[in-house]
Amino acid sequence: EADIYQTPRYLVIGTGKKITLECSQTMGHDKMYWYQQDPGMELHLIHYSYGVNSTEKGDLSSESTVSRIRTEHFPLTLESARPSHTSQYLCASSEYHGYTFGSGTRLTVV
Amino acid sequence: AQSVTQLGSHVSVSEGALVLLRCNYSSSVPPYLFWYVQYPNQGLQLLLKYTTGATLVKGINGFEAEFKKSETSFHLTKPSAHMSDAAEYFCAVSLNNAGNMLTFGGGTRLMVKP
Repeated sequence: EADIYQTPRYLVIGTGKKITLECSQTMGHDKMYWYQQDPGMELHLIHYSYGVNSTEKGDLSSESTVSRIRTEHFPLTLESARPSHTSQYLCASSEYHGYTFGSGTRLTVV
Repeated sequence: AQSVTQLGSHVSVSEGALVLLRCNYSSSVPPYLFWYVQYPNQGLQLLLKYTTGATLVKGINGFEAEFKKSETSFHLTKPSAHMSDAAEYFCAVSLNNAGNMLTFGGGTRLMVKP
């Protein structure tokens, strides 16, 4: 079944650790996105990609980085996690007529 | 550039009452419009979308929305609220159907009282 997967669903990690949030989709979509969302708050675009080897920063400045080596895979990395990175991270992909979202990763940095 | 405004960050209704969530957009060209729902600790799920054709769009879970060009609106309605409708709802606009980037509204939290 075509879908988009995010792992892990929940992550609690100590300050200064390096982390990678995984996002994979099986729909063959060229366009993929990462959003940051605090609880009950609006979505903030932090990264997007329009295809392999294409990545751009979004509207919200973020200390994270992304890569797009394969169409189906769009991981997000934080080199040194801080408590200010505590948030929910949502991955999405699109072709036509809107986005398909993953279930999200809720990150807590202690 | 396009933008989306959702009037009311919180809406509370009684179970069985009409649900009305407001969305207004600005766009220099005909828009594509979307409503998404988000349950706690989940991603966003597409409720319905307007691209072309009939302006009254029916979605999942009994929701519908009407595109009104003259009012630049795309309000979401449901005749009778159910407890399971309690969630966050996001309106979004896109300029074309080629996977163009969506602009999201700030979201409206719907609360349903028993």
